[in-house]
Amino acid sequence: GAGVSQSPRYKVAKRGQDVALRCDPISGHVSLFWYQQALGQGPEFLTYFQNEAQLDKSGLPSDRFFAERPEGSVSTLKIQRTQQEDSAVYLCASSLILNTGELFFGEGSRLTVL
Amino acid sequence: DQQVKQNSPSLSVQEGRISILNCDYTNSMFDYFLWYKKYPAEGPTFLISISSIKDKNEDGRFTVFLNKSAKHLSLHIVPSQPGDSAVYFCAASVGRGSARQLTFGSGTQLTVLP
Repeated sequence: GAGVSQSPRYKVAKRGQDVALRCDPISGHVSLFWYQQALGQGPEFLTYFQNEAQLDKSGLPSDRFFAERPEGSVSTLKIQRTQQEDSAVYLCASSLILNTGELFFGEGSRLTVL
Repeated sequence: DQQVKQNSPSLSVQEGRISILNCDYTNSMFDYFLWYKKYPAEGPTFLISISSIKDKNEDGRFTVFLNKSAKHLSLHIVPSQPGDSAVYFCAASVGRGSARQLTFGSGTQLTVLP
């Protein structure tokens, strides 16, 4: 596709449920990032992939958060046993490995945990 | 500890006038800075960047100024247009290149009044 595609756009989960958020990056983009954006805040880094390798997961807030990119293209962010503080917009971004660092963001997946 | 700060949550400017958005940072290791623009229900889009070896970068109506000694950067939009109304995020990284995670500020909502 022309841009970064994320699904679902909106997800409502009951506390304790598991959720999976999907990101389809721009074709050919080697780098893929996940960011979490709470209401009224800027995006906060969660994790980074280069192809299928997860090179940095220092931003994942707990072991309930897990991300994968098994074939180096589509990525999934999984949140287990969701809690209310997980409510946020989850943004995926991709970029070419040798570019200047500008990221191409998707529209985000808004997660609401009740 | 917020390493990138945007102290003005909102700014209103008359069409045709200059918009000045400010950003401060605390991490002296940051050496690459970017501005992103975000419309409602969309992901952030890259606007302009500057490396720490420069103090100014211009792209059309947009100019970013960097004052390393003050750890301050600003985005100037001249002339401002109603279509510029959006949330503007300042971001910083250590090292240029997509392998680096970005640290974002909390954003400034710019409203350009016709």
